[in-house]
Formats: sequence, structure tokens, C-alpha cells
Amino acid sequence: SAVISQKPSRDICQRGTSLTIQCQVDSQVTMMFWYRQQPGQSLTLIATANQGSEATYESGFVIDKFPISRPNLTFSTLTVSNMSPEDSSIYLCSVGPSSGGAAKQFFGPGTRLTVL
Amino acid sequence: GQNIDQPTEMTATEGAIVQINCTYQTSGFNGLFWYQQHAGEAPTFLSYNVLDGLEEKGRFSSFLSRSKGYSYLLLKELQMKDSASYLCAVRDSGGYQKVTFGIGTKLQVIP
Repeated sequence: SAVISQKPSRDICQRGTSLTIQCQVDSQVTMMFWYRQQPGQSLTLIATANQGSEATYESGFVIDKFPISRPNLTFSTLTVSNMSPEDSSIYLCSVGPSSGGAAKQFFGPGTRLTVL
Repeated sequence: GQNIDQPTEMTATEGAIVQINCTYQTSGFNGLFWYQQHAGEAPTFLSYNVLDGLEEKGRFSSFLSRSKGYSYLLLKELQMKDSASYLCAVRDSGGYQKVTFGIGTKLQVIP
């Protein structure tokens, strides 16, 4: 299974600022995803991070608010821009099937964000 | 799109067996996952079914019926540490193979 690390693990930020979350995988993966889990809720997909091209965003999420980079097959970043208290959430990086076709999807440890 | 339903809460007794059901309606289907999530932690992978039938893995088993849009997770010999949320998730068959999660079932194991 892929080993996924995220930085930072948690942060407390002021309203109006931005935070960039990093996701590093120990092997090359085709699919990388960013999810959000608000308090007491299940996981909501923000976007699919595409290597070498613009991310694919889900309904309700836009690039200006959540810019994503995917410079290679092992790394991605998610930025939460112009934060408000409503952005307080856990942000999770996830990797999907590898180039070898394994079906499992794994999650990083998450970044717990609190916006004051 | 995907529509996934599962009970929000369940309670079961230590040592017993519990079955958590999940029904789904999808525009495309390429597998169903079950994840376990303890409070404050990331989800951990439990099982993946893409064909009909039962997959057994130790104390945990997962069943899938594609024609009925139905799955269940069976937990045997419940332990206190099994108290967690159990998330049903469905992967679609599109190019990005997006995975959509249900609300999760919060299981409380009592002595």
C-alpha cells in the first residue's frame, strides 16, 4: 500500500489568510484526490489533482478558492485561499489506483485546519 | 452521480455480530469500499468489492449485490476498539474513477 504524508498536520489560521497543504506519496500514483471532512460530516471530494494539467473540481468548489498543483506523480498541494471560519475542516489527500491497476484507495493522515 | 444511504448510528454488544448496510444508486459503478474511521483520525481501508458475493478478511466481511445496489459490512466478535464510524463509498466508472462517500455509520460497542 502507498504511504502518504501530509504537512502540516494541523494549523490555526486567521480569517482572510491562505494555507497550502502538501501531500507526498512514497510511490508514483496515477490518481490523487483532495477531500474535505467538516465536523461531524462524511468526506466530500474537492477535486482530482491531475499531473501536468489543471485539477478537475467538483460542484461547489472552484480553483480560485482551492488552487491545486500536481507537478509530478508523487506530490500535490492544496491551497485554501482567503479563509473564513466555514473552512475549518480536516483536509485529506487520497491516492487511487496505481499505474499497476491496484483498486484500493488510501488516505493521508489529514490536515486539521481551524480558522478564527 | 451517486446516492449512498447507510444508517447514521448503531449500537452493539462486545462479542456480538453487527451488520452495517449500505444501499446506493449510481450512474456508473466500479467498486464499493468500506472504511473505518476513529474520531480525529483519517479513514483506514477495510474492504473493496467489485464483484457480487462475500469477501472475508478476519473478523470483517463485506458483501455486494450489484443488481440490488446493496452492500453490507459484517463485524464479528466485536471488540471495544471497533467503536468507530464505518464509511461506505462507491467508485464510479468514469475516467477519474471518483469515489463518493456515504454519511458514515457511527458504531458504539458497549460492554
